[in-house]
Amino acid sequence: AQTVTQSQPEMSVQEAETVTLSCTYDTSENNYYLFWYKQPPSRQMILVIRQEAYKQQNATENRFSVNFQKAAKSFSLKISDSQLGDTAMYFCAYTYNNNDMRFGAGTRLTVKP
Amino acid sequence: ETGVTQSPTHLIKTRGQQVTLRCSSQSGHNTVSWYQQALGQGPQFIFQYYREEENGRGNFPPRFSGLQFPNYSSELNVNALELDDSALYLCASSRGGQVNIQYFGAGTRLSVL
Repeated sequence: AQTVTQSQPEMSVQEAETVTLSCTYDTSENNYYLFWYKQPPSRQMILVIRQEAYKQQNATENRFSVNFQKAAKSFSLKISDSQLGDTAMYFCAYTYNNNDMRFGAGTRLTVKP
Repeated sequence: ETGVTQSPTHLIKTRGQQVTLRCSSQSGHNTVSWYQQALGQGPQFIFQYYREEENGRGNFPPRFSGLQFPNYSSELNVNALELDDSALYLCASSRGGQVNIQYFGAGTRLSVL
């Protein structure tokens, strides 16, 4: 079964500091995609960053970067220079067939001023 | 804003009733995926429509059904509503039956009393 686990229900960070959100997944597939989505109170899911499993290089998008460890089936998100606008639910997600996307239960991140 | 619109924003129904939720996909997108997000959980894949045909389905009973129209907008229909159907229903649009690049709407909050 393909499952996604986020072991941190809630986290907080001071503005301008760095925080890392954890995600592990279970799959027997070799090729797949991994994602981090942000869901602010407005409810709209926003793609933060995407990683293709066959690419060894970790994806980076401005202040957001991932640590993708394929053998360990781990996919953590690092947010640098945290901003108040980063406060949201963050979901890790996975798809192997580019059709059915599986999400973790989410991590609620609060950035404190 | 992603260009994906959902209606209505909120809906209240009673157990046993039927409901129709609507989603307009982003311009140029021919694929719509539907997700159910229960309170405090991550989204769960219901099904996907690609070029007016169902193109994948999650673990949901047949009383969850859908349609996609020639303009690629989509409907989610739920019959015989149960209390556990109370959730945020999200749709996402993409191209080519794939979800590695998809854009979400803001969702419809359904409450079943």
